Amino acid sequence: NAGVTQTPKFRILKIGQSMTLQCTQDMNHNYMYWYRQDPGMGLKLIYYSVGAGITDKGEVPNGYNVSRSTTEDFPLRLELAAPSQTSVYFCASSPPAGELFFGEGSRLTVL
Amino acid sequence: GESVGLHLPTLSVQEGDNSIINCAYSNSASDYFIWYKQESGKGPQFIIDIRSNMDKRQGQRVTVLLNKTVKHLSLQIAATQPGDSAVYFCAENEDSSYKLIFGSGTRLLVRP
Repeated sequence: NAGVTQTPKFRILKIGQSMTLQCTQDMNHNYMYWYRQDPGMGLKLIYYSVGAGITDKGEVPNGYNVSRSTTEDFPLRLELAAPSQTSVYFCASSPPAGELFFGEGSRLTVL
Repeated sequence: GESVGLHLPTLSVQEGDNSIINCAYSNSASDYFIWYKQESGKGPQFIIDIRSNMDKRQGQRVTVLLNKTVKHLSLQIAATQPGDSAVYFCAENEDSSYKLIFGSGTRLLVRP
């Protein structure tokens, strides 16, 4: 199993550009999550999903959108990139009431 | 709002000594707690978890203690090794919704 795979690993965006961070998992987990981690800080929950077709907001959802058309994939979209969205983004998945498995992260810089 | 926090941002220990990393939480409704380890440039890795119906849980070289009376969580690492150097996060679930809320982390430095 590859676990949780995120792409791209690094990306530089200009202010106002859009992009999608891809996340896929091969563990057949129902739950998937997107977190962001600012330097020297903990992880903040952006969005999460408890199954295909179901998504919900976390602590810091503004400026982001997600979709969950399949169990495996949970892409995160930034529509109008802002410098405040410069961060490292982590996707994770879990079974119900189980531990989270994280991807390696996607480092995004908005200039 | 409810939050999870840590007492010490950086902990330096001698190789071979035991390490204790502390965490305070404020949501008395939380019933699931996890410790994660994050090495530089990598995603967090699960270390150990504990549910609120337990006070202590042991793994390989790690022990988690939960004191619900004072809303305190600790991670004990026995015989700390250089490979233990990382940032450690505690996290709590929010009202059994499986949304984990993370603390700000403690950096563990192991001196040779």
